[in-house]
Amino acid sequence: EVQVVESGGGFVQPGRSLRLSCVASGFTFDDYAMHWVRQAPGKGLEWVSGISWNSGKIGYADSVKGRFTISRDNAKNSLYLQMDSLRLDDTALYYCAKDGSNWNEYFHHWGQGTLVTVSS
Amino acid sequence: QSALTQPASVSGSPGQSITISCTGTSSDVGRYNYVSWYQQHPGEAPKLMIYDVSNRPSGVSARFSGSKSGNTASLTISGLQAKDEADYYCSSYTFSSTLVFGGGTKLTVL
Repeated sequence: EVQVVESGGGFVQPGRSLRLSCVASGFTFDDYAMHWVRQAPGKGLEWVSGISWNSGKIGYADSVKGRFTISRDNAKNSLYLQMDSLRLDDTALYYCAKDGSNWNEYFHHWGQGTLVTVSS
Repeated sequence: QSALTQPASVSGSPGQSITISCTGTSSDVGRYNYVSWYQQHPGEAPKLMIYDVSNRPSGVSARFSGSKSGNTASLTISGLQAKDEADYYCSSYTFSSTLVFGGGTKLTVL
């Protein structure tokens, strides 16, 4: 069974940093692209960032470009999101999602999310 | 990276069919056959319903179907059931090598 489990969320002040992690199981991790998708309270889905199977291709939404860094460790079946210079509007539930291919195509499996709250 | 355009809400009675539209541009929906659709019930993670415009993942009911014409993709749900009541989101690959979502559509089963 495919599983992705996020961790690392929490309460943080504006301007500070946070690192999210996602551990995957039940599939060959290094065959697939992975993504971070977020959902602000009561709002819709927003793609944040994606990384190809071998980290050769990386993409970011304009809203986080220059502040967030995605990475993966295929040996540990893990995906990460380093979030710097956090802003109030970064408050959201952050989902880790497995792609259906080795680059940006679709979100096949989702975790349950980890909540990030940015507040002073 | 403008969001794709979806109607805020649609409704239908049990047994009926409904269609949700997803309008993009020639740089995303119109350019690639990488349109996908997701169902989200309150308090739950999204679930993939359609990928690559019209393909259904294993386990998704055949009542769900997808199509595309020009810059607009569509999700059709036939034989509407109470359990179909949820939020639905479309997504597309873009010319900038990113992914973009629609704003979401709330489906109400009357």
